[in-house]
Amino acid sequence: RKEVEQDPGPFNVPEGATVAFNCTYSNSASQSFFWYRQDCRKEPKLLMSVYSSGNEDGRFTAQLNRASQYISLLIRDSKLSDSATYLCVVIYYSGGYQKVTFGTGTKLQVIP
Amino acid sequence: DVKVTQSSRYLVKRTGEKVFLECVQDMDHENMFWYRQDPGLGLRLIYFSYDVKMKEKGDIPEGYSVSREKKERFSLILESASTNQTSMYLCASSLGGGDYGYTFGSGTRLTVV
Repeated sequence: RKEVEQDPGPFNVPEGATVAFNCTYSNSASQSFFWYRQDCRKEPKLLMSVYSSGNEDGRFTAQLNRASQYISLLIRDSKLSDSATYLCVVIYYSGGYQKVTFGTGTKLQVIP
Repeated sequence: DVKVTQSSRYLVKRTGEKVFLECVQDMDHENMFWYRQDPGLGLRLIYFSYDVKMKEKGDIPEGYSVSREKKERFSLILESASTNQTSMYLCASSLGGGDYGYTFGSGTRLTVV
């Protein structure tokens, strides 16, 4: 089983729709979680951290479910500019070092 | 804003050549990283550095080496380029580790022919 798994998509949604992606992780000791956004042919950019209690940034909501070992990203009122690939990042600590694992990404296409 | 600059956007090199990829960051970050990104495999860590002249192997260091002579500069070296090293290479900088978030450079797409 992969350490971090994402549905590659693409998710094709109309403008204004609500869409959610999940990212599952295998290591129950994972402690830190993030979402990055990567536009086509561009570098990943940090979108938001994921806190245990869930957190919101405008139209974006991130949640963590430790029991089922997944994080989620919800985008409300989708905009054309939200079209991108969304990467999850899962971090655990071992022997004084961090192990940072990127998911392979979920592609979102928002359609007019 | 932190800026991470990679010297080349596109590179084409021949098999067996020695290749240097340069990365410079301008925010005095201690930590720098080299990743490669391939379709279906995501980002994989090649090497990282937590201080000048310090380097640590990541998950896929074979065929690569790095150099960090100055805090702001982290170079990735392909000792003898091979076709399986054709990839997108991304440099990143961070105030701490991954839990501080990474700032990535715009990437170097390397093709080895």
